[in-house]
Amino acid sequence: SYVLTQPPSVSVAPGQTARITCGGNNIGSKSVHWYQQKPGQAPVLVVYDDSDRPSGIPERFSGSNSGNTATLTISRVEAGDEADYYCQVWDSSSDHHVVFGGGTKLTVL
Amino acid sequence: EVQLVESGGGLVKPGGSLRLSCAASGFTFSSYSMNWVRQAPGKGLEWVSSISSSSSYIYYADSVKGRFTISRDNAKNSLYLQMNSLRAEDTAVYYCARSGGGQTMVDWGQGTLVTVSS
Repeated sequence: SYVLTQPPSVSVAPGQTARITCGGNNIGSKSVHWYQQKPGQAPVLVVYDDSDRPSGIPERFSGSNSGNTATLTISRVEAGDEADYYCQVWDSSSDHHVVFGGGTKLTVL
Repeated sequence: EVQLVESGGGLVKPGGSLRLSCAASGFTFSSYSMNWVRQAPGKGLEWVSSISSSSSYIYYADSVKGRFTISRDNAKNSLYLQMNSLRAEDTAVYYCARSGGGQTMVDWGQGTLVTVSS
């Protein structure tokens, strides 16, 4: 089965840029989606199809995907961005399973 | 406004059964695939099952295949998850989520907690 690997934690100071990676075998050939989840809340889609943003998501959130790594980039990080972030793909080659990464806790210092 | 409201969670003994429901509103339910995703306490997100708009295509995670059954009633704008032979490791908050293209989870409910314990 397909595996997505995320770092458990990333720390960044306010105003700086946070980069959260998501590794997978030839992930560049798949569409990657990213979710933000704050404590006690449901996840929220922040980036879909590698780099598109749903309406209402700030332009500070962007994504890229190439080779074996997809990246969620959060520019000008704010205290309110502190949350868990999950990447997700659809593995259409393996029983059409949806796969989530293990999640990354973003801490704003 | 899209609304997804889960219900049916609770405490159940190992080996027991539970049926979750998700009431959808604010969109044309019959046009979208739907999903169940769960999150064990303090853990990450785990996909459970997906069902296409007309129920033609249904998929399950290996961890629940043969024990859980996803279904929908488009006339009632409702999604269901029948959970049998429950185990302690099924303890989690269960979310229903609306699919976008490529199995993006566009909208999520607030979740319902299932606790499997004796």
